Amino acid sequence: EAGVAQSPRYKIIEKRQSVAFWCNPISGHATLYWYQQILGQGPKLLIQFQNNGVVDDSQLPKDRFSAERLKGVDSTLKIQPAKLEDSAVYLCASSLLAGGPADTQYFGPGTRLTVL
Amino acid sequence: GQSLEQPSEVTAVEGAIVQINCTYQTSGFYGLSWYQQHDGGAPTFLSYNALDGLEETGRFSSFLSRSDSYGYLLLQELQMKDSASYFCALKAQGGKLIFGQGTELSVKP
Repeated sequence: EAGVAQSPRYKIIEKRQSVAFWCNPISGHATLYWYQQILGQGPKLLIQFQNNGVVDDSQLPKDRFSAERLKGVDSTLKIQPAKLEDSAVYLCASSLLAGGPADTQYFGPGTRLTVL
Repeated sequence: GQSLEQPSEVTAVEGAIVQINCTYQTSGFYGLSWYQQHDGGAPTFLSYNALDGLEETGRFSSFLSRSDSYGYLLLQELQMKDSASYFCALKAQGGKLIFGQGTELSVKP
Protein backbone atom coordinates (compact mmCIF):
# COMPACT_ATOMS: atom_id res chain seq x y z
CA GLU A 1 0.00 0.00 0.00
CA ALA A 2 1.40 3.38 -1.01
CA GLY A 3 1.93 5.91 1.76
CA VAL A 4 1.10 9.60 1.93
CA ALA A 5 2.81 11.46 -0.91
CA GLN A 6 3.91 15.07 -0.71
CA SER A 7 5.64 17.44 -3.10
CA PRO A 8 7.87 19.24 -3.38
CA ARG A 9 10.22 17.85 -0.74
CA TYR A 10 12.14 21.10 -0.45
CA LYS A 11 11.32 24.69 -1.31
CA ILE A 12 13.30 27.90 -0.85
CA ILE A 13 11.56 31.24 -1.40
CA GLU A 14 12.01 34.85 -0.42
CA LYS A 15 9.68 36.56 2.02
CA ARG A 16 6.51 37.97 0.54
CA GLN A 17 6.53 35.31 -2.20
CA SER A 18 3.84 32.67 -2.55
CA VAL A 19 4.24 28.92 -2.27
CA ALA A 20 2.01 25.86 -2.57
CA PHE A 21 2.37 22.34 -1.28
CA TRP A 22 0.59 19.24 -2.52
CA CYS A 23 -0.51 16.11 -0.67
CA ASN A 24 -1.96 12.83 -1.90
CA PRO A 25 -3.28 10.76 1.03
CA ILE A 26 -3.43 7.00 1.33
CA SER A 27 -6.12 5.68 -0.98
CA GLY A 28 -9.51 5.50 0.71
CA HIS A 29 -8.58 7.66 3.68
CA ALA A 30 -11.39 10.03 4.54
CA THR A 31 -9.54 12.43 6.82
CA LEU A 32 -6.57 14.58 5.86
CA TYR A 33 -4.47 16.78 8.13
CA TRP A 34 -1.86 19.48 7.53
CA TYR A 35 0.67 20.07 10.30
CA GLN A 36 3.45 22.62 10.66
CA GLN A 37 6.65 21.47 12.37
CA ILE A 38 9.14 24.16 13.31
CA LEU A 39 12.69 22.95 13.93
CA GLY A 40 13.04 21.43 17.38
CA GLN A 41 9.30 21.33 18.06
CA GLY A 42 6.46 18.88 17.67
CA PRO A 43 4.03 19.12 14.76
CA LYS A 44 1.16 21.58 15.16
CA LEU A 45 -2.16 21.05 13.41
CA LEU A 46 -3.06 23.70 10.85
CA ILE A 47 -6.17 22.25 9.27
CA GLN A 48 -8.20 19.02 9.22
CA PHE A 49 -10.46 17.88 6.39
CA GLN A 50 -13.01 15.11 6.43
CA ASN A 51 -13.63 14.21 2.79
CA ASN A 52 -13.73 17.69 1.22
CA GLY A 53 -15.12 19.56 4.23
CA VAL A 54 -13.10 21.45 6.85
CA VAL A 55 -13.39 19.99 10.36
CA ASP A 56 -10.88 22.18 12.20
CA ASP A 57 -8.95 25.21 10.97
CA SER A 58 -8.74 27.03 14.28
CA GLN A 59 -4.93 27.31 14.15
CA LEU A 60 -4.61 28.21 10.47
CA PRO A 61 -3.38 31.79 9.97
CA LYS A 62 -6.13 32.60 7.55
CA ASP A 63 -4.73 35.97 6.53
CA ARG A 64 -1.95 34.21 4.65
CA PHE A 65 -2.62 30.45 4.65
CA SER A 66 -5.29 28.67 2.66
CA ALA A 67 -6.00 25.02 1.95
CA GLU A 68 -8.39 22.98 -0.10
CA ARG A 69 -9.11 19.33 -0.66
CA LEU A 70 -10.34 18.78 -4.17
CA LYS A 71 -12.98 16.07 -4.57
CA GLY A 72 -12.09 14.71 -1.14
CA VAL A 73 -8.75 13.26 -2.26
CA ASP A 74 -5.68 15.44 -2.96
CA SER A 75 -5.05 18.60 -1.01
CA THR A 76 -3.05 21.78 -1.48
CA LEU A 77 -1.80 24.17 1.17
CA LYS A 78 -0.85 27.68 0.09
CA ILE A 79 1.02 30.49 1.80
CA GLN A 80 0.65 33.98 0.39
CA PRO A 81 2.67 36.03 1.24
CA ALA A 82 5.30 34.06 3.13
CA LYS A 83 7.05 35.39 6.22
CA LEU A 84 10.38 34.39 7.72
CA GLU A 85 8.60 32.60 10.58
CA ASP A 86 6.88 30.27 8.11
CA SER A 87 10.16 28.38 7.68
CA ALA A 88 9.24 24.88 8.81
CA VAL A 89 8.41 21.38 7.61
CA TYR A 90 4.84 21.04 6.42
CA LEU A 91 3.54 17.55 7.09
CA CYS A 92 0.46 15.98 5.59
CA ALA A 93 -1.22 13.05 7.33
CA SER A 94 -4.26 10.94 6.58
CA SER A 95 -6.46 8.53 8.48
CA LEU A 96 -9.00 5.98 7.34
CA LEU A 97 -12.02 7.03 9.32
CA ALA A 98 -13.50 10.26 10.55
CA GLY A 99 -10.83 10.97 13.14
CA GLY A 100 -12.17 8.82 15.94
CA PRO A 101 -10.32 7.56 19.02
CA ALA A 102 -8.79 4.50 17.38
CA ASP A 103 -8.08 6.09 14.01
CA THR A 104 -4.32 6.10 13.31
CA GLN A 105 -2.76 8.98 11.42
CA TYR A 106 -0.11 8.20 8.81
CA PHE A 107 2.31 10.94 7.87
CA GLY A 108 3.98 11.86 4.62
CA PRO A 109 7.68 12.83 4.36
CA GLY A 110 6.89 16.54 4.52
CA THR A 111 7.92 19.63 2.57
CA ARG A 112 10.80 21.59 4.08
CA LEU A 113 10.19 25.30 3.45
CA THR A 114 12.91 27.88 3.88
CA VAL A 115 11.90 31.54 3.69
CA LEU A 116 14.81 33.95 3.14
CA GLY B 1 -5.63 24.59 26.93
CA GLN B 2 -3.75 21.37 26.34
CA SER B 3 -0.04 20.86 26.83
CA LEU B 4 2.48 18.04 27.11
CA GLU B 5 5.93 17.88 28.65
CA GLN B 6 8.66 15.40 27.88
CA PRO B 7 12.44 15.45 28.39
CA SER B 8 14.32 17.11 25.55
CA GLU B 9 17.13 14.55 25.40
CA VAL B 10 17.84 11.02 26.59
CA THR B 11 21.00 8.99 26.06
CA ALA B 12 21.33 5.22 26.47
CA VAL B 13 23.61 2.41 25.36
CA GLU B 14 22.89 -0.31 22.85
CA GLY B 15 21.03 -3.26 24.38
CA ALA B 16 19.74 -1.26 27.33
CA ILE B 17 16.20 -0.24 28.29
CA VAL B 18 15.08 3.37 28.23
CA GLN B 19 11.88 5.05 29.41
CA ILE B 20 10.63 8.35 27.95
CA ASN B 21 8.12 10.08 30.19
CA CYS B 22 5.29 12.34 29.17
CA THR B 23 3.10 14.44 31.43
CA TYR B 24 0.13 16.35 30.13
CA GLN B 25 -2.59 18.84 30.94
CA THR B 26 -5.93 18.57 29.21
CA SER B 27 -9.63 18.96 29.82
CA GLY B 28 -10.43 15.88 27.78
CA PHE B 29 -8.87 13.51 25.30
CA TYR B 30 -9.36 10.12 23.66
CA GLY B 31 -5.93 8.70 24.38
CA LEU B 32 -2.16 9.09 24.18
CA SER B 33 -0.16 8.28 21.06
CA TRP B 34 3.57 7.87 20.49
CA TYR B 35 5.42 8.65 17.27
CA GLN B 36 9.02 8.15 16.18
CA GLN B 37 10.72 10.57 13.81
CA HIS B 38 14.17 10.13 12.31
CA ASP B 39 16.03 13.22 11.10
CA GLY B 40 14.38 14.46 7.91
CA GLY B 41 11.78 11.71 8.03
CA ALA B 42 8.07 11.37 8.58
CA PRO B 43 6.63 10.77 12.04
CA THR B 44 5.87 7.06 12.30
CA PHE B 45 3.15 5.68 14.57
CA LEU B 46 4.43 3.49 17.41
CA SER B 47 1.70 2.98 19.96
CA TYR B 48 -1.63 4.23 21.30
CA ASN B 49 -3.19 3.98 24.76
CA ALA B 50 -6.90 4.61 24.93
CA LEU B 51 -7.19 3.07 28.39
CA ASP B 52 -5.00 3.05 31.47
CA GLY B 53 -2.35 0.40 31.53
CA LEU B 54 0.37 -1.08 29.41
CA GLU B 55 0.32 -1.72 25.66
CA GLU B 56 3.10 -3.89 24.25
CA THR B 57 4.25 -3.99 20.63
CA GLY B 58 7.45 -5.92 20.17
CA ARG B 59 10.37 -4.08 21.76
CA PHE B 60 8.19 -1.03 22.47
CA SER B 61 5.66 -0.65 25.28
CA SER B 62 3.56 2.33 26.23
CA PHE B 63 1.77 3.13 29.46
CA LEU B 64 -0.98 5.54 30.41
CA SER B 65 -2.32 6.67 33.79
CA ARG B 66 -5.20 9.12 33.38
CA SER B 67 -5.41 9.75 37.14
CA ASP B 68 -1.76 10.89 37.16
CA SER B 69 -1.90 12.66 33.75
CA TYR B 70 1.17 10.65 32.85
CA GLY B 71 2.39 8.22 30.28
CA TYR B 72 5.64 6.71 29.12
CA LEU B 73 7.23 4.89 26.24
CA LEU B 74 9.54 2.01 27.10
CA LEU B 75 12.09 0.84 24.57
CA GLN B 76 13.84 -2.47 25.24
CA GLU B 77 16.94 -4.05 23.69
CA LEU B 78 17.96 -0.71 22.26
CA GLN B 79 19.48 -0.69 18.80
CA MET B 80 21.45 2.04 17.04
CA LYS B 81 18.55 2.52 14.62
CA ASP B 82 16.37 3.59 17.57
CA SER B 83 18.26 6.91 17.67
CA ALA B 84 15.50 9.35 16.73
CA SER B 85 13.05 11.84 18.19
CA TYR B 86 10.05 10.47 20.06
CA PHE B 87 6.84 12.42 20.47
CA CYS B 88 3.91 11.85 22.76
CA ALA B 89 0.66 13.28 21.47
CA LEU B 90 -2.84 13.65 22.88
CA LYS B 91 -5.60 12.36 20.62
CA ALA B 92 -8.17 15.13 20.99
CA GLN B 93 -11.73 15.66 19.86
CA GLY B 94 -12.14 15.13 16.14
CA GLY B 95 -9.04 12.95 16.09
CA LYS B 96 -6.47 15.71 15.90
CA LEU B 97 -3.11 15.15 17.57
CA ILE B 98 -1.56 17.63 19.99
CA PHE B 99 2.14 16.91 20.15
CA GLY B 100 4.77 17.41 22.83
CA GLN B 101 8.09 19.03 21.99
CA GLY B 102 9.78 15.68 21.46
CA THR B 103 12.57 13.71 23.12
CA GLU B 104 15.77 13.15 21.18
CA LEU B 105 17.08 9.67 21.96
CA SER B 106 20.74 8.95 21.32
CA VAL B 107 21.81 5.32 21.43
CA LYS B 108 25.53 4.83 21.97
CA PRO B 109 27.50 1.66 21.15
